[in-house]
Amino acid sequence: NAGVTQTPKFQVLKTGQSMTLQCAQDMNHNSMYWYRQDPGMGLRLIYYSASEGTTDKGEVPNGYNVSRLNKREFSLRLESAAPSQTSVYFCASSEGSRQPQHFGDGTRLSIL
Amino acid sequence: AQSVTQPDIHITVSEGASLELRCNYSYGATPYLFWYVQSPGQGLQLLLKYFSGDTLVQGIKGFEAEFKRSQSSFNLRKPSVHWSDAAEYFCAVGAIENYGGSQGNLIFGKGTKLSVKP
Repeated sequence: NAGVTQTPKFQVLKTGQSMTLQCAQDMNHNSMYWYRQDPGMGLRLIYYSASEGTTDKGEVPNGYNVSRLNKREFSLRLESAAPSQTSVYFCASSEGSRQPQHFGDGTRLSIL
Repeated sequence: AQSVTQPDIHITVSEGASLELRCNYSYGATPYLFWYVQSPGQGLQLLLKYFSGDTLVQGIKGFEAEFKRSQSSFNLRKPSVHWSDAAEYFCAVGAIENYGGSQGNLIFGKGTKLSVKP
């Protein structure tokens, strides 16, 4: 009964370090998403994947890369972290491509 | 440009009282509309959605929302609030025309935090 699982839950990085946020879903969903949530900003889409092997940029893709290696997993990579990327990151999934249905509990990332 | 406005940042209601959370959108095309709820430290949960048809939609946890095209609104309502409803609520809009290139690109409002008094 896991749904969408994100790891890690918390992370502190120094500016310039790299990191990969992991996301896995066990609902056999086709679509997966990465969002960031900043205070007073709502959620903003970073990247989206409609199916295994396909990815599309969202509203704020700069500074991020993603990989959809298989149907279950969708990872988000920060190659050179910047303080502006301090945020809470949410992974989500859905059966179709209309809207995210299930969200993970988030990764709280601080970049010093 | 499309946008979503939730005019109330924070609302406090008494347990058992009725609730209405406001959402206004700006979009030239036919919108898809959504309400999500976020409990502290957790991800978002989809409460309800409107795509077409009946403008009054029912969701989970006893919530409903009404789409009013003339007012560009999609307000969320609940007749009697429970203490467990305390959370942050997000309205979101997606465009039918977007479901091709930028699929999944919902525009979220900034959220309304709901507190419930005993």
